[in-house]
Amino acid sequence: GESVGLHLPTLSVQEGDNSIINCAYSNSASDYFIWYKQESGKGPQFIIDIRSNMDKRQGQRVTVLLNKTVKHLSLQIAATQPGDSAVYFCAENINNQGGKLIFGQGTELSVKP
Amino acid sequence: DTAVSQTPKYLVTQMGNDKSIKCEQNLGHDTMYWYKQDSKKFLKIMFSYNNKELIINETVPNRFSPKSPDKAHLNLHINSLELGDSAVYFCATSPGQGGYEQYFGPGTRLTVT
Repeated sequence: GESVGLHLPTLSVQEGDNSIINCAYSNSASDYFIWYKQESGKGPQFIIDIRSNMDKRQGQRVTVLLNKTVKHLSLQIAATQPGDSAVYFCAENINNQGGKLIFGQGTELSVKP
Repeated sequence: DTAVSQTPKYLVTQMGNDKSIKCEQNLGHDTMYWYKQDSKKFLKIMFSYNNKELIINETVPNRFSPKSPDKAHLNLHINSLELGDSAVYFCATSPGQGGYEQYFGPGTRLTVT
């Protein structure tokens, strides 16, 4: 069936280190992917997106990598800060399904000062 | 001004009651969505509307009825509330119908007792 999964449910890093959050997706028809950050008690916050015709996209301190061959997505956060502590979700948009985003379970990132 | 707002933020009610959650956006986006996040933080789409027209209707009990009075508003009415309806409900919006760049509201935490 359609699913987006995460390799690691929790990730603990030291402040200043780089973080890598991974995501596996199963639908080869997915043409668009988004990473969201959700802090406690808040809604998911859009971080960065990538379309399937790209394999890398960079934002401010974040980079998303897409490997369509193995259906893998990753979010890299450079110089992780305590404010980056949150649950991170990847989501895929399957082409021609009316804009339905399918979310993964989420990875909780904990940054130690 | 908050881009996507929801009211109320918290809603506690008893089984069998009928309640509504409201969503408003000032982004001028064409498409609005309702998502449900369960206690394990899993996010799943329920409905989407594009210019007041229902586009996505996932396998949601018909006790849930969305209504879009205009492009900037999408409400969710729930009849005969059940314990299993307890969750956080998020409204989201996107500029077009393809599901790209979805922005989420702060959420409504519904507790059914």
